[in-house]
Amino acid sequence: RKEVEQDPGPFNVPEGATVAFNCTYSNSASQSFFWYRQDCRKEPKLLMSVYSSGNEDGRFTAQLNRASQYISLLIRDSKLSDSATYLCVAAGGGGSYIPTFGRGTSLIVHP
Amino acid sequence: NAGVTQTPKFQVLKTGQSMTLQCAQDMNHNSMYWYRQDPGMGLRLIYYSASEGTTDKGEVPNGYNVSRLNKREFSLRLESAAPSQTSVYFCASRVRETLATGELFFGEGSRLTVL
Repeated sequence: RKEVEQDPGPFNVPEGATVAFNCTYSNSASQSFFWYRQDCRKEPKLLMSVYSSGNEDGRFTAQLNRASQYISLLIRDSKLSDSATYLCVAAGGGGSYIPTFGRGTSLIVHP
Repeated sequence: NAGVTQTPKFQVLKTGQSMTLQCAQDMNHNSMYWYRQDPGMGLRLIYYSASEGTTDKGEVPNGYNVSRLNKREFSLRLESAAPSQTSVYFCASRVRETLATGELFFGEGSRLTVL
């Protein structure tokens, strides 16, 4: 069982839709959480960090539930340019900082 | 404005050949990482270096060796390449102000095919 689990999708949504991605992590000592975005055949890039209080960046909202070891990403008003793979990451804990990635969730936004 | 630079970007090897993937960062980051990415498997950590002079195994270290040559450079060596090592390899770096400081900066990737 992978330490960070994500639904691989693909999620196929029309422009303007709201879509939510979920992620669970198994290492309760993890301290830092992130969502990365990866375009086809490109390197991953940080989309946003995830804080316990929840955080928002424009159309993107991330939530963390430590008790349930659950992370979410909500994308509102989807754009064609949001089409990508979204990677959930948990890191830290246990005295070392090892970012562990989920397998990624594929999003396809169509006209 | 280079960030993390990986070479080569593409490589084809025959089984049993050796090669070294080079990675350099110009952001004065302390920590560096090597991941491999395979279809359906996500990114898996091969080795990492928390600081200059230290290296540690990740999730999938077998068949690889690493060298943290200095603060800037972290190389990954395949001593005897196998078809199972066909993958996309990403190098990443991270500033290490505190244990919780997060963002990884990735190179563009090295696409390796082993025949």
